[in-house]
Amino acid sequence: KNEVEQSPQNLTAQEGEFITINCSYSVGISALHWLQQHPGGGIVSLFMLSSGKKKHGRLIATINIQEKHSSLHITASHPRDSAVYICAVCRSQTSGSRLTFGEGTQLTVNP
Amino acid sequence: GAGVSQSPSNKVTEKGKDVELRCDPISGHTALYWYRQSLGQGLEFLIYFQGNSAPDKSGLPSDRFSAERTGGSVSTLTIQRTQQEDSAVYLCASSLWGESYEQYFGPGTRLTVT
Repeated sequence: KNEVEQSPQNLTAQEGEFITINCSYSVGISALHWLQQHPGGGIVSLFMLSSGKKKHGRLIATINIQEKHSSLHITASHPRDSAVYICAVCRSQTSGSRLTFGEGTQLTVNP
Repeated sequence: GAGVSQSPSNKVTEKGKDVELRCDPISGHTALYWYRQSLGQGLEFLIYFQGNSAPDKSGLPSDRFSAERTGGSVSTLTIQRTQQEDSAVYLCASSLWGESYEQYFGPGTRLTVT
């Protein structure tokens, strides 16, 4: 079993829909990252969080440390949101901030 | 300011040849990471550097892989005697040191071994 599990693997939505992507992890972490990877391959960091909730524009990320679960929400989705969304965790360790990644969620938003 | 840069952006090489991939981190970032993304698969950690400390090489898949970071800045990932299974996108990221800092990713080098 992967240490970081995402669901769903693939998600298709209509423009304007509210979208939720889930991430569960099985290890102790110091931080969780949500990343976005566009078809060209570039990766952009969306959020890094260790507790609570963060919001940036139409994106909201939440984390529940006790339940080892995080969600990424997109409000009023748009075709330009189409990308792969990757959850990654920074494990609680003393040897650095290496990331362990989920498999990613392919999001397609249709106009 | 300038982000993380990587070169080359694409590299096609014959099986058995050695390749070098370069990463220029963001100025002032003391932590540098190499990751790999094979076709249709997720990202995996390869190696990371922090300042003058010994690098964490625990993710390197074989002894054909090595990396160095000169002067605490530029890093080179070397793959010797390349194999077809080495074909992947190799991504570099940098950050300020510590667990509370986000990582900034470079555009990657797409390596194809024929």
